[in-house]
Amino acid sequence: QVRLQESGPGLVKASETLSLTCTVSGGSISGFYWTWIRQPPGKGLEWIGYIDYSGRPYYGRNTNYNPSLKSRVSISLDTSKNQFSLKLTSVTAADTAVYYCAGEVDSTSSIWFDPWGQGTLVTVSS
Amino acid sequence: DVQMTQSPSSLSASVGDRVTITCRSSQSINNYLNWYQQKTGKAPKLLIHGASNLQSGVPSRFSGSGSETDFTLTISSLQPEDFATYYCQQSFSTPRTFGQGTKVGSK
Repeated sequence: QVRLQESGPGLVKASETLSLTCTVSGGSISGFYWTWIRQPPGKGLEWIGYIDYSGRPYYGRNTNYNPSLKSRVSISLDTSKNQFSLKLTSVTAADTAVYYCAGEVDSTSSIWFDPWGQGTLVTVSS
Repeated sequence: DVQMTQSPSSLSASVGDRVTITCRSSQSINNYLNWYQQKTGKAPKLLIHGASNLQSGVPSRFSGSGSETDFTLTISSLQPEDFATYYCQQSFSTPRTFGQGTKVGSK
């Protein structure tokens, strides 16, 4: 059973870069779209983006980002460490949130997020 | 972006009640609709994928229905552990989007 664990600084200064890593254990890192999702305190869920490691031919490590964050976000993958990472530049207080990593599964008839990491709170300070 | 709208935003119910939550998408998403349960301080947990497919290990009192733009999550007999917030999410297109959530509280 695949398990995910986020790690990284819990406090980031405004205008700097937020960097988080998600470690995949208990199974293969291939076959998923590795995803970041965030949730501001007391609010709903926002999809940040994914990196494709589904293993489909010709797709390689395609990334797909939320247009609302696209200019500031990048997601990368390190298969040697079974990790994927998030970088979000020029952060502001609006980026304060619990950040979740998740695996998106693309089956023949549906697509869903499972598993999820436990989440890590990142606070942007001024 | 596909907008997802849930109703109600919150509800109060008692153990044993039948609970229904609806989710509407701003355009047709076929059956690419998932439901998640989130308890305070925890990550969301997948309940239903593909509008009506019960995730392995999820109790059968949870069920999902609908297609195109209108979807429903039903809890047939609410249990104490079901008090939580529920989110719908579309996976038809990117960016993936979630409903605003429905908080199920105790009456």
